[in-house]
Amino acid sequence: GENVEQHPSTLSVQEGDSAVIKCTYSDSASNYFPWYKQELGKRPQLIIDIRSNVGEKKDQRIAVTLNKTAKHFSLHITETQPEDSAVYFCAATRYGQNFVFGPGTRLSVLP
Amino acid sequence: GAVVSQHPSRVICKSGTSVKIECRSLDFQATTMFWYRQFPKQSLMLMATSNEGSKATYEQGVEKDKFLINHASLTLSTLTVTSAHPEDSSFYICSAPVGQGPYEQYFGPGTRLTVT
Repeated sequence: GENVEQHPSTLSVQEGDSAVIKCTYSDSASNYFPWYKQELGKRPQLIIDIRSNVGEKKDQRIAVTLNKTAKHFSLHITETQPEDSAVYFCAATRYGQNFVFGPGTRLSVLP
Repeated sequence: GAVVSQHPSRVICKSGTSVKIECRSLDFQATTMFWYRQFPKQSLMLMATSNEGSKATYEQGVEKDKFLINHASLTLSTLTVTSAHPEDSSFYICSAPVGQGPYEQYFGPGTRLTVT
């Protein structure tokens, strides 16, 4: 089955700096890769996603890149703000079934 | 946007009792819903896929007789934790996919179960 790894497990950056979180997956048939932001005690919220037929996607300060050959994808947050502090999870799925989540990255943006 | 609700948001029960958690899609129909468990400071682990009108599909290691899933309608799935024990204490979250193309999931707000 699919296995998703995520690094780093914790990340601290100064406000205004960029943050990068990387994930690798094992199932070459996975074709959808979402990123979720979860605040303490709250539901995960989708912040950006990418499909396997696209190499990069950007939405304002957030971008995701996908390297299918290497089976890894990354989340990039620019101009970080304190409200970006949360736990971020990557996930991989084949056609929307059996989502497998990474272990998460706790991002702290220091003012 | 699509909304998924869960009830209750928090529940405390005694060891040995059963607890039912409801997951509803409020403005769309969901033939499939997913149930996850999340322990403190850990990731979401898929427990089972709930299918409307048929049996749920459980992930390896999840006891189907302990975690009963019923998907009675296109907007409601329930998870019953039977004979709960303290080790079942966790955050249970459901989700439902919206549409076939983007495979986007909407998560419920979660239910925090504490078994004493």
